[in-house]
Amino acid sequence: EAGVAQSPRYKIIEKRQSVAFWCNPISGHATLYWYQQILGQGPKLLIQFQNNGVVDDSQLPKDRFSAERLKGVDSTLKIQPAKLEDSAVYLCASSLEANEKLFFGSGTQLSVL
Amino acid sequence: RKEVEQDPGPFNVPEGATVAFNCTYSNSASQSFFWYRQDCRKEPKLLMSVYSSGNEDGRFTAQLNRASQYISLLIRDSKLSDSATYLCVVKYMGKSTFGDGTTLTVKP
Repeated sequence: EAGVAQSPRYKIIEKRQSVAFWCNPISGHATLYWYQQILGQGPKLLIQFQNNGVVDDSQLPKDRFSAERLKGVDSTLKIQPAKLEDSAVYLCASSLEANEKLFFGSGTQLSVL
Repeated sequence: RKEVEQDPGPFNVPEGATVAFNCTYSNSASQSFFWYRQDCRKEPKLLMSVYSSGNEDGRFTAQLNRASQYISLLIRDSKLSDSATYLCVVKYMGKSTFGDGTTLTVKP
């Protein structure tokens, strides 16, 4: 079974630039999550989709972050403009349903200089 | 107070030791519980689900205490390969909240 695919693996940008991350969940998984993980901390939920609808985006900084899952399959997360404090690993995860266990992609390490 | 709290450690133990981690949660209505393992610079991976009756998987035992709102993970006969960060995850209404993890280093 193919896992959660994410790209790019690494990204280095300067502050105020924009960046986009892509995620393809495990086939058949209805729920997709984007997490931000800062070094030394646990993953923090940014946004959760159920199929192509947003279930929870309460911790998404909406002035600069946006995400979409147009056809209920793959998803993109965008940051515009980036700030220094956005340097983190961005993890995509999926689950069969919302109360099921999560499977993570390998993440995107973002460095904002 | 954080929704999910873990002792960050680090726990440094010799091979063969038994080590236990606790995780407390604030929402008494939390519905499901998991332990994830995260190796350095890797993504979290599911170690085991935690059931009310307690469950065991080889050298690993997980327990849930709803009355005191904590879950625990016991690792017996520690191996060098058990060195990692262990993340506690609590789910409520489909939302997963992670603790900040407990770091374990097993030394020869």
